[in-house]
Amino acid sequence: EAQVTQNPRYLITVTGKKLTVTCSQNMNHEYMSWYRQDPGLGLRQIYYSMNVEVTDKGDVPEGYKVSRKEKRNFPLILESPSPNQTSLYFCASILRLVAGGNEQFFGPGTRLTVL
Amino acid sequence: AQSVTQLGSHVSVSEGALVLLRCNYSSSVPPYLFWYVQYPNQGLQLLLKYTSAATLVKGINGFEAEFKKSETSFHLTKPSAHMSDAAEYFCAVSAPSTDYKLSFGAGTTVTVRA
Repeated sequence: EAQVTQNPRYLITVTGKKLTVTCSQNMNHEYMSWYRQDPGLGLRQIYYSMNVEVTDKGDVPEGYKVSRKEKRNFPLILESPSPNQTSLYFCASILRLVAGGNEQFFGPGTRLTVL
Repeated sequence: AQSVTQLGSHVSVSEGALVLLRCNYSSSVPPYLFWYVQYPNQGLQLLLKYTSAATLVKGINGFEAEFKKSETSFHLTKPSAHMSDAAEYFCAVSAPSTDYKLSFGAGTTVTVRA
C-alpha cells in the first residue's frame, strides 16, 4: 500500500530541546515537502526536496532544518524549538506528472506542542 | 508569486443542498489549481485539480470545480451534500514550472445539517 508515515504523531516538548520528526514514503517519489498547519492560515510550506541531497526553503523555513540522505526519508529537525513552533505538521510525497500538475500524498500529521 | 483566498471560513449546508466553496487566486503566470479535503484527524486528500486542460474539472465524491480566468476563480461545487462531506476544504495554487510548491488558502470548514 502506498503511504507516507510520520513519527511521532503527537509530541509535547520544552523550549530548546532538539527534536526530529521523521517522514518516510514508499512510492519512490523524488519530491517531498514539509508543511505546518495553523488555524486561519491553512498550510504553509516549510522546506521541500527535489531529490537526495537537494533541498530548498519554502515560505516559512526559519527555525527548521531538513535532510535528504535517502530517497524515502525526509526528516524535519527543530534544533531549538520555541512555543511559536507549536503546530500541526504534515509531510507530503509528491508525484509529478509529465502531463502537468502533481499529486501530493500527505502523511497523517504530527501535532507538536512546545512549552 | 501565487496566492489564493478562500471566501468564508465556515459553511453550513443542509443534507441534499448545494455545496459551494469559493476560491479566488492571484498568479503572475497561468496557474495550476487544486482542491484538497481534510477529514477530522487525517491528512489532506486531493479532490481535483486544474492543469490548463478542460476548465470544468470533475473530482472524487461528486465534486467539481470550474476555472474562470476572467474572474480569477476556481469555486468548488457539489449538487447534493451528504453528511460524509463534513470536513475542511483547502484551495491551493502553484506555478506550472514549480508545481511542487503549493500555496494554500486558509481553508473552509463545511458542516452538514441533517
